[in-house]
Amino acid sequence: SAVISQKPSRDICQRGTSLTIQCQVDSQVTMMFWYRQQPGQSLTLIATANQGSEATYESGFVIDKFPISRPNLTFSTLTVSNMSPEDSSIYLCSVDLRQGGEQYFGPGTRLTVT
Amino acid sequence: DAKTTQPNSMESNEEEPVHLPCNHSTISGTDYIHWYRQLPSQGPEYVIHGLTSNVNNRMASLAIAEDRKSSTLILHRATLRDAAVYYCILRAVGGSQGNLIFGKGTKLSVKP
Repeated sequence: SAVISQKPSRDICQRGTSLTIQCQVDSQVTMMFWYRQQPGQSLTLIATANQGSEATYESGFVIDKFPISRPNLTFSTLTVSNMSPEDSSIYLCSVDLRQGGEQYFGPGTRLTVT
Repeated sequence: DAKTTQPNSMESNEEEPVHLPCNHSTISGTDYIHWYRQLPSQGPEYVIHGLTSNVNNRMASLAIAEDRKSSTLILHRATLRDAAVYYCILRAVGGSQGNLIFGKGTKLSVKP
């Protein structure tokens, strides 16, 4: 299994500002994923982050709004830029320990934009 | 990843078995059937997965139909802690994309 931590656990931010969310894994993993869960909704994938390459973004998500870094095999960051109230969501990172196997999720970062 | 269909909600009594159904009529031969659950205010948690044969682990059992077009997650004795949203997800083996596509899931309520 994998233990994943995220920082911060929650934050309240003003519109127009940016927030960087950190995701730390206790083992080396190739693939990391960032999801968004809007209030009362299911999870939606934002992007896939592989170490050593550019993140791959899903339709509707762009790098200028959600820049991602993946400096090594245990760490990634997601920045939510120029925030608006519509960005208020829970942001989760997850990892695969082996391709096609079970995926492990962090506890999430609850973001409120006022 | 192919789509799945689940009931929006189900109710169970504590200490009774729970059968959570999932339909996946367009499943391909290389799709694994995964189940995750999300407890309130937590990230999703892996429950079980299988390909063709029924699977058991400490959390649950997975019964897969012979034609693989449906499956059932079985919680043998529901506890209050099992109240969560349960997601049935198809995941291709060996594909370049590793992400999970979440549907709306089934919200399970457990009554004491």
